[in-house]
Amino acid sequence: DTEVTQTPKHLVMGMTNKKSLKCEQHMGHRAMYWYKQKAKKPPELMFVYSYEKLSINESVPSRFSPECPNSSLLNLHLHALQPEDSALYLCASSQGAGLHRDTGELFFGEGSRLTVL
Amino acid sequence: AQKITQTQPGMFVQEKEAVTLDCTYDTSDQSYGLFWYKQPSSGEMIFLIYQGSYDEQNATEGRYSLNFQKARKSANLVISASQLGDSAMYFCAMREVNTGNQFYFGTGTSLTVIP
Repeated sequence: DTEVTQTPKHLVMGMTNKKSLKCEQHMGHRAMYWYKQKAKKPPELMFVYSYEKLSINESVPSRFSPECPNSSLLNLHLHALQPEDSALYLCASSQGAGLHRDTGELFFGEGSRLTVL
Repeated sequence: AQKITQTQPGMFVQEKEAVTLDCTYDTSDQSYGLFWYKQPSSGEMIFLIYQGSYDEQNATEGRYSLNFQKARKSANLVISASQLGDSAMYFCAMREVNTGNQFYFGTGTSLTVIP
């Protein structure tokens, strides 16, 4: 069983809906990530939170809004999405990396498969 | 320039045979980590194996081993005794210490194990 839990597993929404994806980990990891993945493509980084602060935003459109309420939780709020936003959204966590660490694999959740109609 | 290059979009292997999935990387950092992940059709990304830039020995985890050639900047994954359950996408990834939490993924290789 994965130690990163994502809900919901599947989500269908209209372009005017507001929904949220949720991610939870209890491994004490201090870095949490959102990735977007299209079929047969590698994951694309969207956001990184390090110690509950947003550290990387890969120029993601504002219709995606991340939130990190505490060190165990990560949300992705969705509003006014487009059909091309349909994808698998993967949450991940890692121990976090300082300048002197070269390890710390990403632990991924099972993903939330989003369909925008 | 691509940080991670996987040149094999698709590979086939006979069950019980070994297979090598290629990965080359590009970095000027001295300290970095290399990772392989497996993604079955269910979607979950499963961590397989890790190699640190300062590790002198090739990493091994069960049937997985990493053929690390630092001078050539290659980190090929070797799967021995292939099983039908090994059919999946495989991604090579790199983390540079100086960029902290940034992981770079290759384009992936789709492996099919033939009975």
